[in-house]
Amino acid sequence: NAGVMQNPRHLVRRRGQEARLRCSPMKGHSHVYWYRQLPEEGLKFMVYLQKENIIDESGMPKERFSAEFPKEGPSILRIQQVVRGDSAAYFCASSPPQGGRTEAFFGQGTRLTVV
Amino acid sequence: GEDVEQSLFLSVREGDSSVINCTYTDSSSTYLYWYKQEPGAGLQLLTYIFSNMDMKQDQRLTVLLNKKDKHLSLRIADTQTGDSAIYFCAEREIIFGSGTRLSIRP
Repeated sequence: NAGVMQNPRHLVRRRGQEARLRCSPMKGHSHVYWYRQLPEEGLKFMVYLQKENIIDESGMPKERFSAEFPKEGPSILRIQQVVRGDSAAYFCASSPPQGGRTEAFFGQGTRLTVV
Repeated sequence: GEDVEQSLFLSVREGDSSVINCTYTDSSSTYLYWYKQEPGAGLQLLTYIFSNMDMKQDQRLTVLLNKKDKHLSLRIADTQTGDSAIYFCAEREIIFGSGTRLSIRP
């Protein structure tokens, strides 16, 4: 059972370009979470999705950021018109359907550098 | 709103015990978690505690929960250089502390 897979591991974008970050949850997991970790800072929740539904996007910036988790395929975090301040590590986690103790399993992260 | 707070840094001597503290606000949390993040890596679940427990021990790790004060701590006995990492306290999957960076001195 492969873990949570994120790709790419490293992504470099010029200011104004688009960044697309992918996350494949663990097999059997229907919940996906995205987090951002700025250099030397803690982990900030961005969005929580189930298949085809956004459950909680309270941590998402209002502009340029969007996320989806389609019926088929990975979850995508999309950042349009990237700026230098978007440079960070973006982590995805997945968990099984709710019920009892839930534990989020994390991917290795995508490190986005905006130049 | 819901919040989890941790001190940012902790430095201990190799072989000593490390105690990382955390306070949280959501009294309805059923489980509380400790995650470890090594440099350049993702987060790995270390341990968790159910909210009706006061203490949980797992080898070198001891978790203490004071539900009245909403205070959670992680004690690492006989701290080793491999314990150098950032430790995150979390309540549920979306509420994480800022992380405590543990460094080990020889």
